[in-house]
Amino acid sequence: ELKVEQNPLFLSMQEGKNYTIYCNYSTTSDRLYWYRQDPGKSLESLFVLLSNGAVKQEGRLMASLDTKARLSTLHITAAVHDLSATYFCAVGDSNYQLIWGAGTKLIIKP
Amino acid sequence: DGGITQSPKYLFRKEGQNVTLSCEQNLNHDAMYWYRQDPGQGLRLIYYSQIVNDFQKGDIAEGYSVSREKKESFPLTVTSAQKNPTAFYLCASSNRDNRYQPQHFGDGTRLSIL
Repeated sequence: ELKVEQNPLFLSMQEGKNYTIYCNYSTTSDRLYWYRQDPGKSLESLFVLLSNGAVKQEGRLMASLDTKARLSTLHITAAVHDLSATYFCAVGDSNYQLIWGAGTKLIIKP
Repeated sequence: DGGITQSPKYLFRKEGQNVTLSCEQNLNHDAMYWYRQDPGQGLRLIYYSQIVNDFQKGDIAEGYSVSREKKESFPLTVTSAQKNPTAFYLCASSNRDNRYQPQHFGDGTRLSIL
């Protein structure tokens, strides 16, 4: 059974600092997604990672995938307040389903 | 613009009442999903459908029912058998012909008990 674990679950940081969110999964998968959710809102797709060593970047966010370690990271560079949100990783199983991590609530203080 | 429309945005349910949440998409996606999100938690799959007139139970289907009579529509009924329905409900869709594309989400319906 595929399980997905994110850590940390909560992160409070200062603007300008760097930090990394981790997403571990338990069995082989061919696709991993990162989403963003603002409070009370829906989910927005950020990155799709499909192969070992894949790296995607959008502004101050960079996501990477290590399929051998079954680990993805979401790295935040020089954080700004606008990046405050909850970030989810989701891993595709052998059907069309996604297994979701519990989410990382990120608060960036000015 | 293509997208997913969920309605209503807020819904209140009385004891013993069934309520139906609407989900409509114009993305021409075959696959549609219903998730439940409780405060501070991730998403849990209730039901999914990969084609019209067919749907499967997810991890927490008890107390819920769905139908898929049209490609564009996937309504969710929260029945009186669901004893703890208070949650944020999200509908999503995806392109069944390309399993690598991300799921697209609606804006959600927040359900509370009166």
